[in-house]
Amino acid sequence: RKEVEQDPGPFNVPEGATVAFNCTYSNSASQSFFWYRQDCRKEPKLLMSVYSSGNEDGRFTAQLNRASQYISLLIRDSKLSDSATYLCVVNYAGNNRKLIWGLGTSLAVNP
Amino acid sequence: DGGITQSPKYLFRKEGQNVTLSCEQNLNHDAMYWYRQDPGQGLRLIYYSQIVNDFQKGDIAEGYSVSREKKESFPLTVTSAQKNPTAFYLCATGSRGEQFFGPGTRLTVL
Repeated sequence: RKEVEQDPGPFNVPEGATVAFNCTYSNSASQSFFWYRQDCRKEPKLLMSVYSSGNEDGRFTAQLNRASQYISLLIRDSKLSDSATYLCVVNYAGNNRKLIWGLGTSLAVNP
Repeated sequence: DGGITQSPKYLFRKEGQNVTLSCEQNLNHDAMYWYRQDPGQGLRLIYYSQIVNDFQKGDIAEGYSVSREKKESFPLTVTSAQKNPTAFYLCATGSRGEQFFGPGTRLTVL
C-alpha cells in the first residue's frame, strides 16, 4: 500500500461546479497535512495546510479525518483557473523535514 | 523579493557528462530539498539538507551528489552514473513542514 494515495482522475467538471478530492494515508503517526497545486509544467505551490478542526480559504475547504486516515479538499464554484493537479502531502511526526507526496489528482474545469 | 531561483530553466547534456543544477534561496530557511519529477509521476526526493554542511540521501540518491557550503545555496550534480537523468528537477526550501519551490530545471540527455 502506498503511503499516500489519491484518485488520479481526471476530474472533468463544468464551471461553477463543486468538486471534492480525497486522499488517504497509511501512517497513523502522520502529523501535518497539506494540499499543493501544480499547473502543467510548473512547480508545485502550497494551496493550504490542513488543520484538525478543518479550515477554509475562500472557495477551498480542507478537512482531516484522523480516525479514517484521510484528508479532503472541497472546491466550490469552480473556475477555469482551478484546472491543475492537486497534490496531497503528509508529514510524519518526528520527521519534520521530509514530506510524503501523493501522485496528485488532475482537475479540468470546462466552460 | 524573497524566493527561490533555479538555473538554467532548460539544460541539454550529452551522455557521459556531469552537469550541475543551481538552486539559490533568500528565504533564510535552514532546510533545502531536491526532487525529481517524471511525466505522470509524483515527486521523488533525491537529497535534502537541514543545515549548512550537512545533507542526507533521499529515496533516489544514486547518481547524484550535492553540497551545502552556504545556507543560501544547494547545488545538485547529476553524474554520468545516473541511468535515466532526463527529468524535471525541482529545488525547494522548507519551514515547519511547508515547502516552497523554485521554477525547476528541465534536463534532457541527448
